[in-house]
Amino acid sequence: DVKVTQSSRYLVKRTGEKVFLECVQDMDHENMFWYRQDPGLGLRLIYFSYDVKMKEKGDIPEGYSVSREKKERFSLILESASTNQTSMYLCASSFATGKNIQYFGAGTRLSVL
Amino acid sequence: GDSVTQMEGPVTLSEEAFLTINCTYTATGYPSLFWYVQYPGEGLQLLLKATKADDKGSNKGFEATYRKETTSFHLEKGSVQVSDSAVYFCALRGNTPLVFGKGTRLSVIA
Repeated sequence: DVKVTQSSRYLVKRTGEKVFLECVQDMDHENMFWYRQDPGLGLRLIYFSYDVKMKEKGDIPEGYSVSREKKERFSLILESASTNQTSMYLCASSFATGKNIQYFGAGTRLSVL
Repeated sequence: GDSVTQMEGPVTLSEEAFLTINCTYTATGYPSLFWYVQYPGEGLQLLLKATKADDKGSNKGFEATYRKETTSFHLEKGSVQVSDSAVYFCALRGNTPLVFGKGTRLSVIA
């Protein structure tokens, strides 16, 4: 079974803190994605990566950065957390070609106080 | 750009009722279409997909047909169960990463 693992299910941070959300997949997928999920807004793409050390901005990249030093790991970084970044964060991965099915992690619910 | 519009919820049904969740899309070319489901406390998982016009995706009693003429991919199930309570997302993949609808919450009561 494909496994996408997010390091934390729940996280509470203070305004201004630097926050790291980690995601690891075990299927040798080329593509990895970070979304945030908010009520009434659905899923919005923050950043994605098609290969190691590559990154592309999604629809809402402001206030976020990412790192992909290894194929299996994709990190989302909040440089200076703000209360409007309180949300559910979902990581996903997929193969580069073929049916492009995305596999999701269980999510990290981040609260910024 | 590409977009997906799905009916707003929440939808509340009694067990064994018929379910339809509408989904329409806007895209250039010939996108692939997906339905994902999110059970409480979990991430999203693929429910079904269709990659070309007139394809029917099906899984766990759910079905959806790719209708190019109406740009639709409505989700249907003939008899829902309490265990189907979840949030359902319609999505498409064209020339960009997956584009999701806003999700429809379904609650099934016994």
